[in-house]
Amino acid sequence: NAGVTQTPKFRILKIGQSMTLQCTQDMNHNYMYWYRQDPGMGLKLIYYSVGAGITDKGEVPNGYNVSRSTTEDFPLRLELAAPSQTSVYFCASRRGTGLVATNEKLFFGSGTQLSVL
Amino acid sequence: TQLLEQSPQFLSIQEGENLTVYCNSSSVFSSLQWYRQEPGEGPVLLVTVVTGGEVKKLKRLTFQFGDARKDSSLHITAAQPGDTGLYLCAGGSQGNLIFGKGTKLSVKP
Repeated sequence: NAGVTQTPKFRILKIGQSMTLQCTQDMNHNYMYWYRQDPGMGLKLIYYSVGAGITDKGEVPNGYNVSRSTTEDFPLRLELAAPSQTSVYFCASRRGTGLVATNEKLFFGSGTQLSVL
Repeated sequence: TQLLEQSPQFLSIQEGENLTVYCNSSSVFSSLQWYRQEPGEGPVLLVTVVTGGEVKKLKRLTFQFGDARKDSSLHITAAQPGDTGLYLCAGGSQGNLIFGKGTKLSVKP
């Protein structure tokens, strides 16, 4: 199994440009997440989805949008890139059927390193 | 806002030494997970602890969840260069995970 696949691996954007970070999982997981990781700052939740057609904001959603039209895919959209969005972005998923959801294992992709100049 | 404080932030040791890293909070968590992240990769789950006072062992790694479920520790015995990485703790809260900032461990041969 491929698990969680993110593309692209690296990207450089100019201020004001837009782009979509792709994320797909082949484990039939219900829950999917987008995190950003800044140096020394841990992982911050941007958006999450509990199933196709359902999305919700996390801790740092401003400047981003998401959609979940299928179980497999959860793209993250940056509309007007800003230098503050320079970061490493991780997509993650989990099954979402456990009685206590936060005991479940999160599967992460290998990340997208984005620079906005 | 629930926060998880990890200490130390950085740790550089020689192969064969023992070490302990800590994850502390003023809040109670329903569960606590530890992940290891290597450069250029996403975090990988090491363990989940759910019961106050619980101790779990994974080869040379020992994980403990505090009695009050507010803190956790990770002890590594006889560290090896392969243990090098960023160790993240994550607490379960209202259906999502809150991550600490991590401890960056370097084990030198």
